[in-house]
Amino acid sequence: QITLKESGPTLVKPTQTLTLTCTFSGFSLSTSGVGVGWIRQPPGKALEWLALIYWDDDKRSSPSLKNRLTITKDTSKNQVVLTLANVDPMDTGTYYCAHRLGSWDAFDIWGQGTMVTVSS
Amino acid sequence: SYELTQPLSVSVALGQTARITCGGYNIGGKNVHWHQQKPGQAPVLVIYRDNNRPSEIPERFSGSKSGSTATLTVSSAQAGDEADYYCQVWDSGTVVFGPGTKVTVL
Repeated sequence: QITLKESGPTLVKPTQTLTLTCTFSGFSLSTSGVGVGWIRQPPGKALEWLALIYWDDDKRSSPSLKNRLTITKDTSKNQVVLTLANVDPMDTGTYYCAHRLGSWDAFDIWGQGTMVTVSS
Repeated sequence: SYELTQPLSVSVALGQTARITCGGYNIGGKNVHWHQQKPGQAPVLVIYRDNNRPSEIPERFSGSKSGSTATLTVSSAQAGDEADYYCQVWDSGTVVFGPGTKVTVL
């Protein structure tokens, strides 16, 4: 059974760097085709894709946030870490990580999400 | 950047059929996935690669694609199907979500 869980601060001040961790179980991020992505959702708004890291360490990120985003993986710890630099109140929202199943080319399992508020 | 279009809202009578559309340039050449999100919950994948259903998703959910439009169909709609539905594609190695459609079951 695949599960993912996001963790990190609930409150961050503007201009700080937000660091979120996705801890997963039930799969290995060294298996061919597998990926873990990050998606966020501002309150009352739509889903917005942020970044994705693949089993082979290939990394992709949203063009609109590329300069502020970093995604890394620790295969031994079954974790994926997302950092978002220079946060702004517009970065407030729920952040989800999700498992990408290669054969389906889809995010088939999502974490429960973690709410982050950016405020001074 | 690539964009997907969806109707803001769709209403359906209990037991009837809801159809949610998703449009985008050359969507015919892309795999379309659909995610359901109920209030206060994380999204759930209901259709992958246009018309495939995960084993735990009821047969009432189906997907299709024609021309520049993909469609998610919810047959015999139930109260529990009230949710936001997002289509999603991959474009040039990046992930794109549609703006979402709120489905109301009357």
